[in-house]
Amino acid sequence: QSALTQPASVSGSPGQSIAISCTGTSSDVGAYNYVSWYQLHPGKAPKLIISDVSNRPSGVSDRFSGSKSGSTASLTISGLQAEDEADYYCSSYTTSHTLVFGTGTEVTVL
Amino acid sequence: QVLLVQSGAEVKKPGASVKIFCKASGYSFTNFAMHWLRQAPGQRLEWMGWINTGRGDTKYSQNFQGRVTLTRDTSATTAYMDLSSLNFEDTAVYYCAKAIGMGGLDYWGQGTLVTVSS
Repeated sequence: QSALTQPASVSGSPGQSIAISCTGTSSDVGAYNYVSWYQLHPGKAPKLIISDVSNRPSGVSDRFSGSKSGSTASLTISGLQAEDEADYYCSSYTTSHTLVFGTGTEVTVL
Repeated sequence: QVLLVQSGAEVKKPGASVKIFCKASGYSFTNFAMHWLRQAPGQRLEWMGWINTGRGDTKYSQNFQGRVTLTRDTSATTAYMDLSSLNFEDTAVYYCAKAIGMGGLDYWGQGTLVTVSS
């Protein structure tokens, strides 16, 4: 199972909106609405910020939103803040009943 | 509250095996699958496998097939990950994570650093 494809890095100024894409195949992202997004800060465990394409767990800022079209999912961060600087990973459930993660995206707040 | 507490750091020689535990508390252990992942230094997050904590059946990533074994002890609400035939590329932080539904991992252990060194 190949990793889902994400841009290596995305940057934006405080207050701006950015989007991170996550491209898979008809066997994963395109097969189900089971795409999740995680935020990783150095030295800390990953944090779930979006599940099932667009659901935000309790306590996650509404500046984070998710969507999907075909085999590509997207995470949008609105009103970018310094604390959003982190690595972001998407993941998808697959037709083989496994999970596959993305290549990861480093978000920089300019 | 939900807590996943993992065992401590390990140093292993090439060819050895490592077994990490993940003690769960604060929820019904057998109602939610447990996944295992790792992140090597400077590398991406990598999924290793998952275990149905109720039935005990497992599914592994092809990248680890034959080397990883996931088990659980329901009475101890603890999940275990055993990785054999270690090589230097297995040096990584290993995580357990509780699933919600089909793939969202809502609670994570603190991570266990495994260092493979001769």
